[in-house]
Amino acid sequence: SQQGEEDPQALSIQEGENATMNCSYKTSINNLQWYRQNSGRGLVHLILIRSNEREKHSGRLRVTLDTSKKSSSLLITASRAADTASYFCARPDQGGSEKLVFGKGTKLTVNP
Amino acid sequence: GAVVSQHPSWVICKSGTSVKIECRSLDFQATTMFWYRQFPKQSLMLMATSNEGSKATYEQGVEKDKFLINHASLTLSTLTVTSAHPEDSSFYICSARRPSTGKIWLYEQYFGPGTRLTVT
Repeated sequence: SQQGEEDPQALSIQEGENATMNCSYKTSINNLQWYRQNSGRGLVHLILIRSNEREKHSGRLRVTLDTSKKSSSLLITASRAADTASYFCARPDQGGSEKLVFGKGTKLTVNP
Repeated sequence: GAVVSQHPSWVICKSGTSVKIECRSLDFQATTMFWYRQFPKQSLMLMATSNEGSKATYEQGVEKDKFLINHASLTLSTLTVTSAHPEDSSFYICSARRPSTGKIWLYEQYFGPGTRLTVT
């Protein structure tokens, strides 16, 4: 299973700015998920977007999915220092498998 | 939301000893749990899938005799690192799958807080 690729690997912004993270993958999927991990902690599920959805919102989070380009993006609007964390996209392994394959992650730093 | 706990949160052990890590789903039944390993500043790598009442399914390259997994109940899975060596030092994270409601079968994984293992 190939990991997804996320870019950028690291992102540093000022509080109040928007942060955009991208994820690309190579196989067909039926859904894609985004997770957040604070340093030294477990992962927190943010959003699951299905393959027939193009955009999904949750609070200050907006996720888009372009299955033709095999890519997804996570936008955090009006960022806060508390948003500082690593963000991972994850896709089911081999289509609809229950196993998840995680991307390499983007480390986001929001400076107060 | 669903809660998954892990115990211990960190452990230091001597080389050659065995260490057991517990993963519990606190407010739901999890027929499937997953064990991941994460090295510093890297992503999560799936080690094995733990199914209640049956043998775990290990990913390629993961030694099943070294990483023993037991999923004896719907709320508990354990990972035992046997004869630990310094290269086994890592962050181990478990997750539990909980089917979502609705017509379309979807799933979300709920992650434990992780266990930091240091082998000296």
